[in-house]
Amino acid sequence: AQSVTQLDSQVPVFEEAPVELRCNYSSSVSVYLFWYVQYPNQGLQLLLKYLSGSTLVKGINGFEAEFNKSQTSFHLRKPSVHISDTAEYFCAVSVDSGYSTLTFGKGTMLLVSP
Amino acid sequence: DARVTQTPRHKVTEMGQEVTMRCQPILGHNTVFWYRQTMMQGLELLAYFRNRAPLDDSGMPKDRFSAEMPDATLATLKIQPSEPRDSAVYFCASGLTSGGPNYEQYFGPGTRLTVT
Repeated sequence: AQSVTQLDSQVPVFEEAPVELRCNYSSSVSVYLFWYVQYPNQGLQLLLKYLSGSTLVKGINGFEAEFNKSQTSFHLRKPSVHISDTAEYFCAVSVDSGYSTLTFGKGTMLLVSP
Repeated sequence: DARVTQTPRHKVTEMGQEVTMRCQPILGHNTVFWYRQTMMQGLELLAYFRNRAPLDDSGMPKDRFSAEMPDATLATLKIQPSEPRDSAVYFCASGLTSGGPNYEQYFGPGTRLTVT
């Protein structure tokens, strides 16, 4: 079975600073990787996904992530954050098992302050 | 703007009562998921339907939880009897897939359940 580890439960950062949210996965087969964002009192929204091809994936709101197979990582980055980026971010993994379900990490709360 | 809708948004009930949560997936989507989110456990998959057929409900406590899709526009999650440990936010998500994992799940706003 696959699993996802988000190493940081909270990441505080100042506005306009760069940020990296870490995600590591475990799987014995090829994986597909996703980042979702959850704003307060809302459902999850897809930020970006890696299925195949280029290991650098660009998403919405200026976020990007890099798939590193040797390190089994899929870290999320943004060069300059805004107050409005304050939210919880979830990394998720799926495998081509036929069921196509997502396994989520515990989430990282990004706190952007002025 | 197509969205997944969930009702009710908030529910407070007493232990032992039946709770029914409803989800309207995006029109045309053929997969529906039910998740539960708590501080301790994070997001857990409870059940999963494709083309209205249940594919996996191994995440649900079988003795008290049940999930159904009476038709393509409605998915329900019932808890009977409810217990305080069921307090959580329950999310429904839908997507369109032909079987592979390369599709997006669209989440509803959630039902916040409090069992006293």
